[in-house]
Amino acid sequence: EAQVTQNPRYLITVTGKKLTVTCSQNMNHEYMSWYRQDPGLGLRQIYYSMNVEVTDKGDVPEGYKVSRKEKRNFPLILESPSPNQTSLYFCASSLYPRSSYNEQFFGPGTRLTVL
Amino acid sequence: AQKVTQAQTEISVVEKEDVTLDCVYETRDTTYYLFWYKQPPSGELVFLIRRNSFDEQNEISGRYSWNFQKSTSSFNFTITASQVVDSAVYFCALSEANQAGTALIFGKGTTLSVSS
Repeated sequence: EAQVTQNPRYLITVTGKKLTVTCSQNMNHEYMSWYRQDPGLGLRQIYYSMNVEVTDKGDVPEGYKVSRKEKRNFPLILESPSPNQTSLYFCASSLYPRSSYNEQFFGPGTRLTVL
Repeated sequence: AQKVTQAQTEISVVEKEDVTLDCVYETRDTTYYLFWYKQPPSGELVFLIRRNSFDEQNEISGRYSWNFQKSTSSFNFTITASQVVDSAVYFCALSEANQAGTALIFGKGTTLSVSS
């Protein structure tokens, strides 16, 4: 089944404890992206990747890191999480990085709480 | 700059009522794409429709219909004979052809509550 998977789905952690949210897609998509969703703000892009080893900042990159060592994986890293990073996170992928026409497939979301 | 506005934060209707969710967008690009996503209480994002800027034809899919009007920069979504299962947050989104990263610019969402 074609899908985007994220792990963990739920995470409660404490300020400053490094964490990684994994994202994997099995559709051989070139483009992958991370969004965060906050009440009243909709979804905002954190980072995106056009292909392996090519990543760039989205609208709200502060406090996050990403890497794209393999085409299928695009982990989101919070080196020192803070309470303002409490949010619902979505990973997304699409086939071609330069075609806005492509539908973006979203993962199921990761609900992160930073105490 | 690109922007998507969903002015209706919350809408409550009774089953079988028709409801229209408004979406107004701003973009300088002549080529762009508009999307609607549904987020049910379970939290996942469900793709509903994509429309490109050159196709102003309205679309109907079962109880769902979309009205795209470039003259007013609007892409409204109507649910006919609403059902309880339609209760969700609905997001309108914009993607510009010339935008690096092909990011989706989302509106803030409209929460639809359908009661029986």
